[in-house]
Amino acid sequence: AQKITQTQPGMFVQEKEAVTLDCTYDTSDPSYGLFWYKQPSSGEMIFLIYQGSYDQQNATEGRYSLNFQKARKSANLVISASQLGDSAMYFCAMRAQGAQKLVFGQGTRLTINP
Amino acid sequence: DSGVTQTPKHLITATGQRVTLRCSPRSGDLSVYWYQQSLDQGLQFLIQYYNGEERAKGNILERFSAQQFPDLHSELNLSSLELGDSALYFCASSDGGGGGDLNTEAFFGQGTRLTVV
Repeated sequence: AQKITQTQPGMFVQEKEAVTLDCTYDTSDPSYGLFWYKQPSSGEMIFLIYQGSYDQQNATEGRYSLNFQKARKSANLVISASQLGDSAMYFCAMRAQGAQKLVFGQGTRLTINP
Repeated sequence: DSGVTQTPKHLITATGQRVTLRCSPRSGDLSVYWYQQSLDQGLQFLIQYYNGEERAKGNILERFSAQQFPDLHSELNLSSLELGDSALYFCASSDGGGGGDLNTEAFFGQGTRLTVV
């Protein structure tokens, strides 16, 4: 079984600062994918970034990067130069090889202060 | 805009009733996934359909059922509703999901917020 743990229920960051959202995972599958989603107050789930377990380099998408440490089973999301619009819930998720579903963590509520 | 359309956006109904949630996947996507988001359970996978066939099942109650039609849209039917069924129900779609796809992004709709009173 797969499990995702997000230990930060909430985080408060000043605008323009970088922020790291923690995510650790547990799986016995050697092949898996890790995802981050953003859920603003309007409710929709927005895909941010993906990292495959065999990818050699950390994934980056604009201001988002994923700090993937396979040995530690962590997949932290780094947001550089935070903006007010980054205030939202952030979910880490994983999909194991052969499994169709995404398993989500409990989420971190990020608040960006002006 | 993810390209996944869910209707209705909001639904208020009484206990014991039955409702149908509808999802239109992104053009070309064969897989449809249903998730339930509640305060106590978080985001839980319910069921997946791939090209009209059920492919995977999660913690879906027997009172709930789903199907995917030939035009690939999907419906989630919730019956004998209870107060605890109040939640945000998401549909997601992807172009993979036939098996072994890891990096197939799942694009989510805006959700249907169900309130059972």
